[in-house]
Amino acid sequence: GAVVSQHPSWVICKSGTSVKIECRSLDFQATTMFWYRQFPKQSLMLMATSNEGSKATYEQGVEKDKFLINHASLTLSTLTVTSAHPEDSSFYICSAPGVGTDTQYFGPGTRLTVL
Amino acid sequence: LAKTTQPISMDSYEGQEVNITCSHNNIATNDYITWYQQFPSQGPRFIIQGYKTKVTNEVASLFIPADRKSSTLSLPRVSLSDTAVYYCLVAGGGNTGKLIFGQGTTLQVKP
Repeated sequence: GAVVSQHPSWVICKSGTSVKIECRSLDFQATTMFWYRQFPKQSLMLMATSNEGSKATYEQGVEKDKFLINHASLTLSTLTVTSAHPEDSSFYICSAPGVGTDTQYFGPGTRLTVL
Repeated sequence: LAKTTQPISMDSYEGQEVNITCSHNNIATNDYITWYQQFPSQGPRFIIQGYKTKVTNEVASLFIPADRKSSTLSLPRVSLSDTAVYYCLVAGGGNTGKLIFGQGTTLQVKP
């Protein structure tokens, strides 16, 4: 099946700094990718839809100026958490739809810890 | 997007068959039913997908009645490594792939 990777797998940063997380589709192209956030013992929450070559679409309640999304190529979407604070500590997961299917393929996730 | 309802948790023993049922009363004509498995600190992994009747692959079976308002994931002869959270999702048919996750079912397999 299709493979989606994320980098880094975990990151620790100081409060106030920005962190960039990459999501790559390794063997297929994705004009659309999705970003989720998951807090401990909770379900995945959709944050935004990343669109190649255009602006991302954010879910209600997600600050677009805080979570910057760039989808510059058909295989790469990046999520930048700006001015991170401890409450942004979470597990961030991306996904991309398989070509010609209704199946989403998920990345392994990125654990962000803000001190 | 159709909302789904699943049991919050289930317990089983190694070697047993586990059936997890999901309700999706508002499923749309174009929607598919997809099940994912998630281990701690990992992204969800695709298990199986179906539209109607029965689908079987190497890891699970998916039973969907004619009215499609529910579905049942069947895991044959579970092992300890099947302990995970299982999510039932309903989507497709032009919704651009957007998925709204419910609470999922935490399956605990005991020795």
